[in-house]
Amino acid sequence: NAGVMQNPRHLVRRRGQEARLRCSPMKGHSHVYWYRQLPEEGLKFMVYLQKENIIDESGMPKERFSAEFPKEGPSILRIQQVVRGDSAAYFCASSSTLGWDTEAFFGQGTRLTVV
Amino acid sequence: LAKTTQPISMDSYEGQEVNITCSHNNIATNDYITWYQQFPSQGPRFIIQGYKTKVTNEVASLFIPADRKSSTLSLPRVSLSDTAVYYCLVGGVDSNYQLIWGAGTKLIIKP
Repeated sequence: NAGVMQNPRHLVRRRGQEARLRCSPMKGHSHVYWYRQLPEEGLKFMVYLQKENIIDESGMPKERFSAEFPKEGPSILRIQQVVRGDSAAYFCASSSTLGWDTEAFFGQGTRLTVV
Repeated sequence: LAKTTQPISMDSYEGQEVNITCSHNNIATNDYITWYQQFPSQGPRFIIQGYKTKVTNEVASLFIPADRKSSTLSLPRVSLSDTAVYYCLVGGVDSNYQLIWGAGTKLIIKP
């Protein structure tokens, strides 16, 4: 049973381009969570999705950022018109039920560098 | 959402027992305490979770006093591979995905 898969592991974009980050949850998991991590800091919640639904996007910047989790395929975090400040590690986690008492599993992250 | 306070960094040596304490003075009645480990360039990995008293698994022990305002992660006989950042998180079942992650404790194990 493969773990949470994120790709690409590293992504370089020029300012103004679009970045697409993909996350395939663990088999059987229908809840996906996206986080951003800056160097030497902890993770910051961005968005929580279930299949085809955004449950909580309170941590998402209002502009340029969007997320989806279609019925088929991976969850996608999209950042439009990237700026240098978007450079960070983006992690996704998945769980089988709501709540972290059931232990969510994290992917290895995508490191986005905006040049 | 309860905020936590941990030491920024700790050093220890191989074979020693390491205890990392976390303060969470405003923990709520329904909150659990969860610890994660993160290696460089990796996602966080669940270590242990508890509500009160003591919890032990194959990796670590978690000690929680009666007032639950702090908790201590205990790593027995550490090795070099335990060098990582350790995060203490506090939250309830319904909001755990929004847990506030501090900077964690950077643990360095020396030979």
